[in-house]
Amino acid sequence: NAGVMQNPRHLVRRRGQEARLRCSPMKGHSHVYWYRQLPEEGLKFMVYLQKENIIDESGMPKERFSAEFPKEGPSILRIQQVVRGDSAAYFCASSQPGYQETQYFGPGTRLLVL
Amino acid sequence: GENVEQHPSTLSVQEGDSAVIKCTYSDSASNYFPWYKQELGKRPQLIIDIRSNVGEKKDQRIAVTLNKTAKHFSLHITETQPEDSAVYFCAATNFGNEKLTFGTGTRLTIIP
Repeated sequence: NAGVMQNPRHLVRRRGQEARLRCSPMKGHSHVYWYRQLPEEGLKFMVYLQKENIIDESGMPKERFSAEFPKEGPSILRIQQVVRGDSAAYFCASSQPGYQETQYFGPGTRLLVL
Repeated sequence: GENVEQHPSTLSVQEGDSAVIKCTYSDSASNYFPWYKQELGKRPQLIIDIRSNVGEKKDQRIAVTLNKTAKHFSLHITETQPEDSAVYFCAATNFGNEKLTFGTGTRLTIIP
């Protein structure tokens, strides 16, 4: 039973480029969460999605960031026109219906903006 | 919104001794409190959790206690081993909210 999958594991972008981060939840999980972790800091909530719906995006920056979880395929976190301050580890977590609070994390994508 | 504070930020204990990490939360509506262990460069791993209808939960060498009145909860690791060295994060949420609010982490080092 594969856990939460994320790719790529490492991503290098130059300022102004776009970054696309992908997350496939655990089998049977239909709830996806994205968190950001800056070096030596805790995890900060960004967005909570179910299939084809954004449930809570209160932690998402208003500009340049967007997320989706289509009916088919992985959830995608998109960062447009990246800046150096976007460099961080981005973790995806998933949970199953009825147990939304119990979240299991993927290995993360480490984004480095040059 | 919820605010979670975690102490200490670093903790060193001799192998075999116990380690205790404490967290406080601000939102009295919070009713679910997980603990995650994160090794360097790895994913946060859920190690134990507690719901507000119980005061204590134990799983082998790990236990968590919850004091709802004081709004704090603690992680206890007994008979510590070198593989317990990691960063530990507490978190809080409430059913229907789902987003986890994390503490700032405790770097635990087990001294052989």
